[in-house]
Amino acid sequence: KAGVTQTPRYLIKTRGQQVTLSCSPISGHRSVSWYQQTPGQGLQFLFEYFSETQRNKGNFPGRFSGRQFSNSRSEMNVSTLELGDSALYLCASRGTDNYEQYFGPGTRLTVT
Amino acid sequence: DQQVKQNSPSLSVQEGRISILNCDYTNSMFDYFLWYKKYPAEGPTFLISISSIKDKNEDGRFTVFLNKSAKHLSLHIVPSQPGDSAVYFCAASAGTYKYIFGTGTRLKVLA
Repeated sequence: KAGVTQTPRYLIKTRGQQVTLSCSPISGHRSVSWYQQTPGQGLQFLFEYFSETQRNKGNFPGRFSGRQFSNSRSEMNVSTLELGDSALYLCASRGTDNYEQYFGPGTRLTVT
Repeated sequence: DQQVKQNSPSLSVQEGRISILNCDYTNSMFDYFLWYKKYPAEGPTFLISISSIKDKNEDGRFTVFLNKSAKHLSLHIVPSQPGDSAVYFCAASAGTYKYIFGTGTRLKVLA
């Protein structure tokens, strides 16, 4: 079974721009969660989508948004990028009624 | 407010010995806990989990212990191998599938 895939793997953007990251979950998984990882902060939960609906949300500003499509693929968008948005963005998928999440390799975003 | 804390940023252990990674939490509503391992340039890999109704769960060389009264969990790796060298994260959930992660402990297993 193929794992979680994320595209692109690396991205460089300029302050003020916007960016869209993509995540394809493991086949059959309907839950997709997004995390931001920065040095010293661990993984910070952004949001979770299940069957195209946002079910949980972390403490991030409204510049961070997401959506999920009918095939469970998910996108995350960050508008008006700031230098502090430079991070590794990870997505994870989970099977129904299963606590274990499986992570993709991440997208490394650098904002200059 | 860091609800899940891993107070040891790093740990070094000799190959073949036991590695003990610790995690403390503050939210008594957490009812499910997970451990992940992360290598550089890769996403975290699920290792082992435990429900709050248990106090121990084993899977091969990995054992997780949960002490609810102390709000503490630990991951034991026996015997430690050089391939275990990675960053280990604990995570907790309060039944909502919203996971709170610790900041990680870097384990180095010395050959």
